[in-house]
Amino acid sequence: EPEVTQTPSHQVTQMGQEVILRCVPISNHLYFYWYRQILGQKVEFLVSFYNNEISEKSEIFDDQFSVERPDGSNFTLKIRSTKLEDSAMYFCASIRQGRTDTQYFGPGTRLTVL
Amino acid sequence: GESVGLHLPTLSVQEGDNSIINCAYSNSASDYFIWYKQESGKGPQFIIDIRSNMDKRQGQRVTVLLNKTVKHLSLQIAATQPGDSAVYFCAENRAAGNKLTFGGGTRVLVKP
Repeated sequence: EPEVTQTPSHQVTQMGQEVILRCVPISNHLYFYWYRQILGQKVEFLVSFYNNEISEKSEIFDDQFSVERPDGSNFTLKIRSTKLEDSAMYFCASIRQGRTDTQYFGPGTRLTVL
Repeated sequence: GESVGLHLPTLSVQEGDNSIINCAYSNSASDYFIWYKQESGKGPQFIIDIRSNMDKRQGQRVTVLLNKTVKHLSLQIAATQPGDSAVYFCAENRAAGNKLTFGGGTRVLVKP
């Protein structure tokens, strides 16, 4: 069964450093998402991406965040200058086509900012 | 503002019994609802969904009920098994957007 994959599974970084989280969505999917989940809290939407551009973003997704689909398979989330409060699980998700298609999530990357 | 919330943070259930997990939403524009299961250290896993033109949908051992009058969603798990132990989230998708808004989660603990 096809699945969303994410690397690394755990990323430890120093405050102020840049990190890039990587995702490989399901191959025939067209819509891509990043969510985050701070420990013990609910999953929060960050950004959605379609047709090589951001289609929606939350207030969390400020100028420190960016997304990119550098090739036909990868979807990345970059945090330019990490803060302590960026520590969280980051989930990538994708859907095939329509809004009510099932949104499949990856296993997540745990980001720890020291 | 829009919100999706859960009534019970933790539900303990005896193996073999049925589980009911509840969720309230406040956005009347929501037209698509999904239940996800999240096991420790893993990403949310799709369980079942329902569109706003339905009030009930059944899957394998799971049933989702939607009451639009009171903006309430529930997930029923029949004959709960140890493998059902996880955190369950409801999520909603508004008609105008394509993002999911998640509720706070309910932890289900299955006692043998």
